[in-house]
Amino acid sequence: DTGVSQDPRHKITKRGQNVTFRCDPISEHNRLYWYRQTLGQGPEFLTYFQNEAQLEKSRLLSDRFSAERPKGSFSTLEIQRTEQGDSAMYLCASSLFIPYNEQFFGPGTRLTVL
Amino acid sequence: AQTVTQSQPEMSVQEAETVTLSCTYDTSESDYYLFWYKQPPSRQMILVIRQEAYKQQNATENRFSVNFQKAAKSFSLKISDSQLGDAAMYFCAYRSLTSSNTGKLIFGQGTTLQVKP
Repeated sequence: DTGVSQDPRHKITKRGQNVTFRCDPISEHNRLYWYRQTLGQGPEFLTYFQNEAQLEKSRLLSDRFSAERPKGSFSTLEIQRTEQGDSAMYLCASSLFIPYNEQFFGPGTRLTVL
Repeated sequence: AQTVTQSQPEMSVQEAETVTLSCTYDTSESDYYLFWYKQPPSRQMILVIRQEAYKQQNATENRFSVNFQKAAKSFSLKISDSQLGDAAMYFCAYRSLTSSNTGKLIFGQGTTLQVKP
């Protein structure tokens, strides 16, 4: 069990560029979550997968955001036409589908949009 | 919609002393979980303690314990014998058990805990 990993850890981009982040969950976990955390605030839910199915999306996830989890393993989060307001830490978490499903968090990807 | 509020942006405690972090939440549901997560500087978030709403007994994990007041919708975290390694941002989080069961967490704004040697 190597834990949840995210790549890259840091990303600096110019406004208008597209970026993609990757999350590798704990191998047997079938639930995967994306959260966004701005400086000094708590994480906010973005979207959730059970296996390969994206079952819920927050209103925070505008049309410029898309997430996938092909084959129910790793997940990607893409932001198109980035804006300065997208600057944040993007956290991934995974869990098992059990009544009490502790979420294990990755280290996050810090995005800075210039 | 459920909300979680942490009204203490920063707290400070002397090493070996006890500190209590406050959390209140708002919900109309009767079944839910509450959590405290710890986020050390530049490190990933880890679970400290959880409380099931149907349990009257307060959860305890070593030096960490909670005071869960369901009627008051209050969920505070007590850290006893504080250690330097306890310095971190602490988040209170709510998880519904009745609405679509996605397991998503609703977090408070966080409390930064400083531990003084």
